[in-house]
Amino acid sequence: QSALTQPRSVSGSPGQSVTISCTGTSNDVGAYNYVSWYQYHPGKAPKLIIYDVSKRPSGVPDRFSGSKSGNTASLTISGLQTDDEADYSCTSYAGFYTHVIFGGGTKLTVL
Amino acid sequence: QVQLVQSGAEVKKPGASVTLSCKASGYTFINHYIYWVRQAPGQGLEWMATLNPSGGLTTYAQKLQGRVTMTRDTSTYTIDMELSNLRSEDTAVYYCARDSSAGLIKSYAFDIWGQGTMVTVSS
Repeated sequence: QSALTQPRSVSGSPGQSVTISCTGTSNDVGAYNYVSWYQYHPGKAPKLIIYDVSKRPSGVPDRFSGSKSGNTASLTISGLQTDDEADYSCTSYAGFYTHVIFGGGTKLTVL
Repeated sequence: QVQLVQSGAEVKKPGASVTLSCKASGYTFINHYIYWVRQAPGQGLEWMATLNPSGGLTTYAQKLQGRVTMTRDTSTYTIDMELSNLRSEDTAVYYCARDSSAGLIKSYAFDIWGQGTMVTVSS
C-alpha cells in the first residue's frame, strides 16, 4: 500500500491528452510544492519528468505538464505518442521525519 | 556520463548486516544530495536515508533509526549504506538516487538512479 494514491491505469489514443492524479494529504502534497513525477520503461532507469509540481527538467517535452490543487497533484500528457506508453509515479516531500513518499504507479496505455 | 553504479546483489541471514555501495561519476560529487530508497516485493518505494555529500550530514527514516548508517568517501565518490540486524522484511531492491538540484538545495526529486541492488534476507 503506497502513501500517495494513483489510479492503476489510464489510457488514451495517439494525439489525445491524459491526466494522471496523485492524491495525498494536507501533510504532504497539500503542504509542500515538492511533487515530482517519473516515467518508467521496463528495464530502464526511472526518468524524472516533473519536479517542484510543474517544472520540467531539460530535455523533457512541454507535452508533459504538472499541477496541484489542494491535496491532489496531476500529470497531464498532451499529444500522446506511442513512446509515452509506460508506468508513471509521483512523489512528494512529507516533512523532516518522513521525507519523501511515493505513489503506487499508474500504467499508461496508448491505444 | 552522469551515473550512479551500485554494488551487486547480496544474500544475508537474519541478524546480519549488509553494506551497499553507490559510486558516482560524471558530476561534481559534493554538489548533490544522495538518497537511498528501497522497494520490497509487491510493495511501493520507501525512502530510507539522505546524505549531504559535502559535510556528510545524514537524515534517516524513523522506522530505521539505529539500524541504518549512510556514509560517503569524497576521494572515491562513493556512498555506502549499512543496514544492520537484518530481518526478512528488509528483503528488497535498494536504490541510490541523486537529488536533481545542484548547490545542495534539496528538490526531493531524483534525476539519476542507480541500477538497484537486490538484498535477500533468508535463513
